[in-house]
Amino acid sequence: DADVTQTPRNRITKTGKRIMLECSQTKGHDRMYWYRQDPGLGLRLIYYSFDVKDINKGEISDGYSVSRQAQAKFSLSLESAIPNQTALYFCATRSSYNEQFFGPGTRLTVL
Amino acid sequence: GIQVEQSPPDLILQEGANSTLRCNFSDSVNNLQWFHQNPWGQLINLFYIPSGTKQNGRLSATTVATERYSLLYISSSQTTDSGVYFCAGSLSYNTDKLIFGTGTRLQVFP
Repeated sequence: DADVTQTPRNRITKTGKRIMLECSQTKGHDRMYWYRQDPGLGLRLIYYSFDVKDINKGEISDGYSVSRQAQAKFSLSLESAIPNQTALYFCATRSSYNEQFFGPGTRLTVL
Repeated sequence: GIQVEQSPPDLILQEGANSTLRCNFSDSVNNLQWFHQNPWGQLINLFYIPSGTKQNGRLSATTVATERYSLLYISSSQTTDSGVYFCAGSLSYNTDKLIFGTGTRLQVFP
C-alpha cells in the first residue's frame, strides 16, 4: 500500500472553478507539504504544515489555500482556478530525520 | 539564492551501459536526496544521502558535503531506468524547503 496517496490523480477543470486536491499519509509524519511542478522544471513549494494548527506559506502560495484536517490529511484548494495553474501537484511528508517522501502526483489541467 | 546544477542535462544510453550523474550546489546544503521521476510523473526516492556513500542494487550515490557535490552512479542500465533524475537539498536554516536541481533526463534504449 502506498504511504502517501493523492486524489484525484488527474483532473480537468475550467477557469474560475474551485478545486480541491487531497492528500493522505500513513507514515505517521507530522510535517506535510504541497509542491507544484511545471513542465521541464523542478518542484516548487506552495505550502507546508507542521501540524493541524501550524500552516506556512512556501515560495508560490498566491492563488492557493490549504487545510490540515488531521495529522494524516492535508488538502490544497484553488479557489478560482486559472490556466497558469495547470501543473503536476505533489504532496509530501517529512520524516524526523528530514527525508521527504512524495505522493504519486495529481495532474491538473485548467482550461 | 542557492543554485543547484545537475549534469549532464540529457543522457542517452544503450542497455547495459554505466553512467554517472552529478549534482553541484552553490552553497552548503543539508539533507540531500536523489529522486527518479518516471515517465508517468511519479517521484521515486532513490537515496537520502547527506554525506558518504550508499548503494542499493545497481545504483549507488556519494555526497561530499564539504565540496558541495553529489554523484549518482547507475550501472548496467535498463530501459526502466529512463526518466528524469533530480537531486534536492535543504538549507541549514530552513530544512522544510527542498531545493531541486535542474534534472538529468536519461533515456535508455534496448
